Amino acid sequence: KQEVTQIPAALSVPEGENLVLNCSFTDSAIYNLQWFRQDPGKGLTSLLLIQSSQREQTSGRLNASLDKSSGRSTLYIAASQPGDSATYLCAVRGGGATNKLIFGTGTLLAVQP
Amino acid sequence: KAGVTQTPRYLIKTRGQQVTLSCSPISGHRSVSWYQQTPGQGLQFLFEYFSETQRNKGNFPGRFSGRQFSNSRSEMNVSTLELGDSALYLCASSLRQDTYEQYFGPGTRLTVT
Repeated sequence: KQEVTQIPAALSVPEGENLVLNCSFTDSAIYNLQWFRQDPGKGLTSLLLIQSSQREQTSGRLNASLDKSSGRSTLYIAASQPGDSATYLCAVRGGGATNKLIFGTGTLLAVQP
Repeated sequence: KAGVTQTPRYLIKTRGQQVTLSCSPISGHRSVSWYQQTPGQGLQFLFEYFSETQRNKGNFPGRFSGRQFSNSRSEMNVSTLELGDSALYLCASSLRQDTYEQYFGPGTRLTVT
């Protein structure tokens, strides 16, 4: 059974700092991994999607890497801003016909001005 | 292109009642998935519909059901509501091909009293 873990559960950093969020999964047989952002009481915003054959994806100040063999992904945020404050969730999609995402518990990020 | 829309956004129901939630996917997306988010259990997969057929189902009791219409809009129904059904219900749509990237709606906040 696939399990997804995110460390740390919460993180507080001063504005301008670079930071790394971690995601680990127990079954390496994944189709892709997606990083999301969720603001309080809101839906999920897709940040980056990495296919199982890819090693990393970049969008602006965000960079996500994937090491499928070790069951790990990282989300790197450069030059953090107060507007980056949110909960960050990673989710893996298993192989085969399923379109089911299995989510981690999230990392609550606070960027202090 | 309009995003995923969900109605209603907020709902208050009494134990024992039933409720129907609606989701309209992004135009052209034929896959709709439903997730339940609670503070204790996090995000959990309910079910996925594609071309009016349920393709996958999560570990929820039979009180949770859904359907999809020919225009890809989907409804989720919960019968005999329990206090534990209070949650944010999120709908996601995808092309279910190519990258399978999922796009989420703002959610419906259901409170059961």
